[in-house]
Amino acid sequence: GDSVTQMEGPVTLSEEAFLTINCTYTATGYPSLFWYVQYPGEGLQLLLKATKADDKGSNKGFEATYRKETTSFHLEKGSVQVSDSAVYFCALTGLWGAQKLVFGQGTRLTINP
Amino acid sequence: DSGVTQTPKHLITATGQRVTLRCSPRSGDLSVYWYQQSLDQGLQFLIQYYNGEERAKGNILERFSAQQFPDLHSELNLSSLELGDSALYFCASSPRTSNPETQYFGPGTRLLVL
Repeated sequence: GDSVTQMEGPVTLSEEAFLTINCTYTATGYPSLFWYVQYPGEGLQLLLKATKADDKGSNKGFEATYRKETTSFHLEKGSVQVSDSAVYFCALTGLWGAQKLVFGQGTRLTINP
Repeated sequence: DSGVTQTPKHLITATGQRVTLRCSPRSGDLSVYWYQQSLDQGLQFLIQYYNGEERAKGNILERFSAQQFPDLHSELNLSSLELGDSALYFCASSPRTSNPETQYFGPGTRLLVL
């Protein structure tokens, strides 16, 4: 079945550091790819998405590019802030029909001032 | 604020009991999804409803059931509760106006089974 693998956490960085959170997937066909973020005590918020190969999703300084050849969707940010501390989930869903999200295990990110 | 509401926020109950979790989707959204987030299983899809009808099922236990009412709110019923059912239960809704659908998540209901 479809699956998503994220880099193990937790990840701790200093403010203004460069962030990469790796995500690879296994899926039949051509899934759509998402990054969701979960701040402490809150639900999940969509951070960005990409629906086809070579698409780049971006939001709030975060970017991820849909790489079909490497089945990856790595999340990057050039300069992180303390407010970026959260748990980040990579996810996929298929086209049409049931649109259930398949999530990775989540990566906890802590940014120190 | 995603516009999806869930009640109650917290629920503490005992093994063997039955509880009902409620979800109100965003205005106009026809699809409702339920997910379970636990430490050992991560985030798992349970079930989807679209305009009152069951659309897809995931790893939902037979002790669990759900429904979506004519006003589009949904309820997740958990019965014969076990310690392992303790988890955060999320509801999400989507507008079903584009492909792929963006799912908007509620704040969740934290269930603790003692």
